[in-house]
Amino acid sequence: DVVMTQSPPSLPVTLGQPASISCRSSQSLVHSDGNTYLTWFQQRPGQSPRRLIHKLSNRDSGVPDRFSGSGSGTDFTLKISRVEAEDVGLYYCMQHTHWPPVAFGQGTKVEI
Amino acid sequence: QLVESGGGLVQSGGSLRLSCAASGFTFSNYWMSWVRQAPGKGLEWVATMKQDGSDKYYVDSVKGRFTISRDNAKNSLYLQMNSLRAEDTAVYYCTRDCTNGLCLGYWGQGAPVTVSS
Repeated sequence: DVVMTQSPPSLPVTLGQPASISCRSSQSLVHSDGNTYLTWFQQRPGQSPRRLIHKLSNRDSGVPDRFSGSGSGTDFTLKISRVEAEDVGLYYCMQHTHWPPVAFGQGTKVEI
Repeated sequence: QLVESGGGLVQSGGSLRLSCAASGFTFSNYWMSWVRQAPGKGLEWVATMKQDGSDKYYVDSVKGRFTISRDNAKNSLYLQMNSLRAEDTAVYYCTRDCTNGLCLGYWGQGAPVTVSS
């Protein structure tokens, strides 16, 4: 099974400054169809998770363009270009290239 | 919109059936999944099924105990949970996948399940 490792577990940020979260997989997430099924979710305090980025770098509808996903193979990054107060919460990466099972990272807590 | 119901408190070894009412999209066109989150913990995928129910997938820890099903006529997804254990205590989220497979694109508000030992 694929293991997803996120870092850091906690990320203190400054409003208006950039921030980035790392996610590594135990094996390449490039699918035989050429896609990389790496997804990022945001979970604000007290809310359900919300998908931000799918297939490595595709922003979901309504997601601000300050969020971007990048990476390749086994190393991936979620970047926030300028952190806003509403960005506080937990962030999870997930892979579904090699499933079942689906694998989530342990989460990164973003706090001001 | 995805609205879960059926959560609650149950004794270890007991059963519970979660329901998820879908609206605002053509339910029968999408794969659907359940994902759970134990108190203070991260996300864990539980089960996924194809539009017509021909394919179902489970995490190993629930195989043989949980059953995912759907009723496309009623726009509803279900999770039958038997032989519940304390470690099944979690908020259970219903999620809408993509038309061609799993993608966890939209999430419900969650249904809390507490298994007392």
